[in-house]
Amino acid sequence: DTEVTQTPKHLVMGMTNKKSLKCEQHMGHRAMYWYKQKAKKPPELMFVYSYEKLSINESVPSRFSPECPNSSLLNLHLHALQPEDSALYLCASSQEDQPALYGYTFGSGTRLTVV
Amino acid sequence: KQEVTQIPAALSVPEGENLVLNCSFTDSAIYNLQWFRQDPGKGLTSLLLIQSSQREQTSGRLNASLDKSSGRSTLYIAASQPGDSATYLCAVSMNRDDKIIFGKGTRLHILP
Repeated sequence: DTEVTQTPKHLVMGMTNKKSLKCEQHMGHRAMYWYKQKAKKPPELMFVYSYEKLSINESVPSRFSPECPNSSLLNLHLHALQPEDSALYLCASSQEDQPALYGYTFGSGTRLTVV
Repeated sequence: KQEVTQIPAALSVPEGENLVLNCSFTDSAIYNLQWFRQDPGKGLTSLLLIQSSQREQTSGRLNASLDKSSGRSTLYIAASQPGDSATYLCAVSMNRDDKIIFGKGTRLHILP
């Protein structure tokens, strides 16, 4: 298995809803990432988990809450989002010990719309 | 601070032509450079990964080169096809942490 799987592919939620995005990989990668991408912009890093511990939080608002229950799974919990949070949310993984050596594998993303 | 620039921002070429996409970076102390393809509304597909010690990588009709000292990389696409239409993103990894820095991409349109 050489893929990063993200679910759901599309999500529409109200500003008072609570929802979660899920990311899964079975490549034995020990680093996992959440990125946010607005239309016609490059991806922006949100969070990095290394060996199931949060190693980087790029000053993301607390309405986004990441969770890494195990080495294969990464969640992003969403609560009280704003319409400007609508974007494509991408998950990625890499071999943590040498992330720069082997590159990064991205999922196909979750298209989030906040209404 | 590393900055990655991709020129042009958009490109339209007739089918069958060979083309070159450019990527430049300001800090030459990189670990690697990766080219990605992204179709509209979709995730990123890794095309080629060049380590800092390498000069080029090839995959099918794609060839990526790296000139680390001058801070440049090119992605060469031979015999372009309409299916090559997508946004191509260049990203570099630095040796200080595990972040990658993306360029803004080149939107490529191959005209049938």
